Amino acid sequence: SQQGEEDPQALSIQEGENATMNCSYKTSINNLQWYRQNSGRGLVHLILIRSNEREKHSGRLRVTLDTSKKSSSLLITASRAADTASYFCATDAPSNTGKLIFGQGTTLQVKP
Amino acid sequence: NAGVTQTPKFQVLKTGQSMTLQCAQDMNHNSMYWYRQDPGMGLRLIYYSASEGTTDKGEVPNGYNVSRLNKREFSLRLESAAPSQTSVYFCASSQYSGNLEAFFGQGTRLTVV
Repeated sequence: SQQGEEDPQALSIQEGENATMNCSYKTSINNLQWYRQNSGRGLVHLILIRSNEREKHSGRLRVTLDTSKKSSSLLITASRAADTASYFCATDAPSNTGKLIFGQGTTLQVKP
Repeated sequence: NAGVTQTPKFQVLKTGQSMTLQCAQDMNHNSMYWYRQDPGMGLRLIYYSASEGTTDKGEVPNGYNVSRLNKREFSLRLESAAPSQTSVYFCASSQYSGNLEAFFGQGTRLTVV
């Protein structure tokens, strides 16, 4: 079974609104990463947060990590139509000896 | 820099045929991965290679074999294709196993009829 599970599976918002996606995982981790995938394309790395970090920012992206709840959230502020994509979390867990395991993803639609 | 290059981009196979998906990276990365993506299933790890000369099974290795030919190249082989292997396949690489960002190829869309 997959390590990470995103919630919600799909999200539709208006341009300018904020979008929040959540990721839950099952085992302890070294780090957690978020990726973006435009339709029909390969994944692109957005941000990495290590297990000893609680929050990280990159431009309009804010990622939080709660290791006690085994969960992470990705917040995209002031969304744009160009943010329409699928977003995936990925974990590198000690028990997986370096394997990078992805969740099922959240599909975000930003309406202009 | 081409990054991660996968070939072919599209392929149609008949059940029982074999084929090899090729992947090459020019970033001098140590780790390479093969994933498959099916609708509603996200990405599932098939095999990975932490370094040249090593390979390890992922979440869904059955029906596949891999070869880490050298540091640059990591191939995925389907010995006897089945309709259940219809999917989009992605190759990825990273400098170290899971500790840094992974770079992805553009994918191979495989249909087995």
